[in-house]
Amino acid sequence: DAKTTQPTSMDCAEGRAANLPCNHSTISGNEYVYWYRQIHSQGPQYIIHGLKNNETNEMASLIITEDRKSSTLILPHATLRDTAVYYCIVRGKDSNYQLIWGAGTKLIIKP
Amino acid sequence: GAVVSQHPSWVICKSGTSVKIECRSLDFQATTMFWYRQFPKQSLMLMATSNEGSKATYEQGVEKDKFLINHASLTLSTLTVTSAHPEDSSFYICSASYLYSTSNEKLFFGSGTQLSVL
Repeated sequence: DAKTTQPTSMDCAEGRAANLPCNHSTISGNEYVYWYRQIHSQGPQYIIHGLKNNETNEMASLIITEDRKSSTLILPHATLRDTAVYYCIVRGKDSNYQLIWGAGTKLIIKP
Repeated sequence: GAVVSQHPSWVICKSGTSVKIECRSLDFQATTMFWYRQFPKQSLMLMATSNEGSKATYEQGVEKDKFLINHASLTLSTLTVTSAHPEDSSFYICSASYLYSTSNEKLFFGSGTQLSVL
């Protein structure tokens, strides 16, 4: 079973920041939080990952709460091409480094 | 980022035939590759984990004799769907593990293969 829970779907206006939440209350100390997205009929695309500290790259920012039980993926200026299913996954030694995929969040960017 | 190439992108075959899907890591060596299956409007389901030079580890409920996995080199893994039937029609995706450091690993995914069995 997936170790994360995410909203089923979200809308965001083009040009605004999209904030995607994820709960992972059972995360263990050596598990990382990974975010991927999947555009229809394509393979998943890596976005970002982190352990404790907040992370930022050219695609997004990842904010992890101090207790690590939840995180938020931020797309700072959403475009129409960001419409996809976003998956939050925890992965680490305890789970044999496997990615267990939940249902993800369907993010729809509206003009 | 690292590139994983998966071929073919789509394939249509007759029931009873076998289909081979290739997954290549183009600019890095992948000691571990994973194979997933995805049905419409569902999430990815891990089928098997493949380590170079050893037998693949299959998830519960996945028939190893039906889904043959070969990981002969650090850059190539293949999935062969043997005696395919219509219920095997699905989107198959591979991923390759890239180790940046001892604690920093990423998975990169192929573009997927849509298999339709008539």
